Formats: sequence, structure tokens, C-alpha cells
Amino acid sequence: EPEVTQTPSHQVTQMGQEVILRCVPISNHLYFYWYRQILGQKVEFLVSFYNNEISEKSEIFDDQFSVERPDGSNFTLKIRSTKLEDSAMYFCASLAVPTDTQYFGPGTRLTVL
Amino acid sequence: AQTVTQSQPEMSVQEAETVTLSCTYDTSESDYYLFWYKQPPSRQMILVIRQEAYKQQNATENRFSVNFQKAAKSFSLKISDSQLGDAAMYFCAYRRMTGTYKYIFGTGTRLKVLA
Repeated sequence: EPEVTQTPSHQVTQMGQEVILRCVPISNHLYFYWYRQILGQKVEFLVSFYNNEISEKSEIFDDQFSVERPDGSNFTLKIRSTKLEDSAMYFCASLAVPTDTQYFGPGTRLTVL
Repeated sequence: AQTVTQSQPEMSVQEAETVTLSCTYDTSESDYYLFWYKQPPSRQMILVIRQEAYKQQNATENRFSVNFQKAAKSFSLKISDSQLGDAAMYFCAYRRMTGTYKYIFGTGTRLKVLA
């Protein structure tokens, strides 16, 4: 069964550093998402991406965040200057068609020191 | 704005018994999807069951079933014959049928299964 993959599984970085989280969505999917889950809290929507552009972003997704689909297969989330409060689990998800269900990747645990 | 509420932070059930997890939501939409996701300690999000709001019949997947009450905006998950492997966080989620199809999650219920 096709699946969404994410790398790395765990990233440790220093405050102020840039990080790039990578996702490979399922190949025929058209809609892409990033969600964030701070430890012990609920999963929160960050951004959705469709047709090579952001279709919606949440209040969390400020100027420090950006997304890109550089080569038609990868979908990346960049945090330009990480803060302590960016420490969380980041999930990528993709969706084939609107009537389908989103498929989630296994997540990347980001730790900012 | 749509919201999802899970009022039970934690539930316990004896192995082989039945447990029901509650979820309520608020929306002005008439058509939408509802989901239950399981998150074990690995933190992978695993789809348990999904319900289309336009379907009157409650969804069922093996030992998992839902009680969908559209007028009351309630969407509870029943787990029958609970197993030790069912222990996890369970999240209820809502998704519109239009727009960007993003999910809105509840705060989760931690389910403990007692041997």
C-alpha cells in the first residue's frame, strides 16, 4: 500500500537555526498539508498546498515558515529561524481527491535547544 | 469557525469490554466528514473510521463503530471487545467537503486498556 514518508524522523537543532523537514506524498495525490503537534496537545493545521501554491495557512504559519514542492515529488517545510516553541511533532499529509481521506506520514520530531 | 470537542481527557476499559469515546463538533455546514484517528506511542496517525455526514447509516469497521447524531452534532466511537493494542490517544477530526479539506482535530482522549 502506498504511504507518505517523512525525513528525518527526529531533528535536533539550535535555536535560531534553519531546518527543512521533508515529505514524500503519495505519488498521485494533489493536495498536501503540514500539521503540528506540540507534545501532549492536539494536532493543529499549519498549511495546505495545492496546484503549486499555498491554499490556506493558519495563524501559526508566520513568515518564519515556508513550504515548497521543488521537484514534483518532495514537499518541504522550512523554518527559517527556529524558536524553542517550534519543538513539536510535524506531520505531513496528502490527499488524492476531495472525497478521499488524508494519508498521514509518520511525523518528524523537531527538538529546538 | 468549526470546532471539535472531546470532553474526556482519559478513559479506561477492561480488556474484552466495550468503551465509548465522545466527540462533539460545531459547524454550520450541512455536508462534511468526520473521522477517528488512533495515535499510539509511536505517534503515527492511524485512521480508525470515517463517516460522511450525508449518510444516515453509522460507519462500522470490525470492532469499531460510531454513533453519529447529526442534529446533536455528536460523533462517538465505540470500541467493542477491547484489546491491549487499542491503548492509545484517540482524536476526533472534522473536515469540510469544500475549501482546502484541512482537518480540525479535537484535543484527544487517552484510552487505557486494563488486563
